Amino acid sequence: DTAVSQTPKYLVTQMGNDKSIKCEQNLGHDTMYWYKQDSKKFLKIMFSYNNKELIINETVPNRFSPKSPDKAHLNLHINSLELGDSAVYFCASSPRGAKNIQYFGAGTRLSVL
Amino acid sequence: ELKVEQNPLFLSMQEGKNYTIYCNYSTTSDRLYWYRQDPGKSLESLFVLLSNGAVKQEGRLMASLDTKARLSTLHITAAVHDLSATYFCAVDGNTDKLIFGTGTRLQVFP
Repeated sequence: DTAVSQTPKYLVTQMGNDKSIKCEQNLGHDTMYWYKQDSKKFLKIMFSYNNKELIINETVPNRFSPKSPDKAHLNLHINSLELGDSAVYFCASSPRGAKNIQYFGAGTRLSVL
Repeated sequence: ELKVEQNPLFLSMQEGKNYTIYCNYSTTSDRLYWYRQDPGKSLESLFVLLSNGAVKQEGRLMASLDTKARLSTLHITAAVHDLSATYFCAVDGNTDKLIFGTGTRLQVFP
């Protein structure tokens, strides 16, 4: 059983397109996150939701919009994709906030051409 | 703003040797995490260090935390090829988010 699952695993698209990445966790966790890992492997938090409510919103362009229909899902929608958006995006979850171990999904490798 | 730095960024070491990876952070925190990432894979939790002086060991890896020095170490004993991966430390900045270090890419060769 996959604890944190992301789809798709790979995403190749043209500049200007709109795309979504989906994330689901079956761990019963309250908190979910989106991270971006760039080509140099730097890992930076983008968003965090606790029980469907946004609690962390880092300095991320407005083109990125997270949506949490329920506490087991946190999707990431990206409008007007740019070359600089190319990266690996990781979803993670933890029980009740960052003070607990975070469990990561397998990542979505986004390539913008 | 909390900053987390690791060194070295790259480490190439021979099997059987010992080495230490360092993680320094800039503000007070009493929680530190170590993660491992294999190439093209996700991050896997290795250790959680929750207090000053905490030491955790798993196989050939041992992690420690000195909150006064704002320093954590990940010590590798008698390295084997299977330990080749990127290792990240992450610090709870008391802002309900983790700040990750720059990562240390470890390569162990025969």
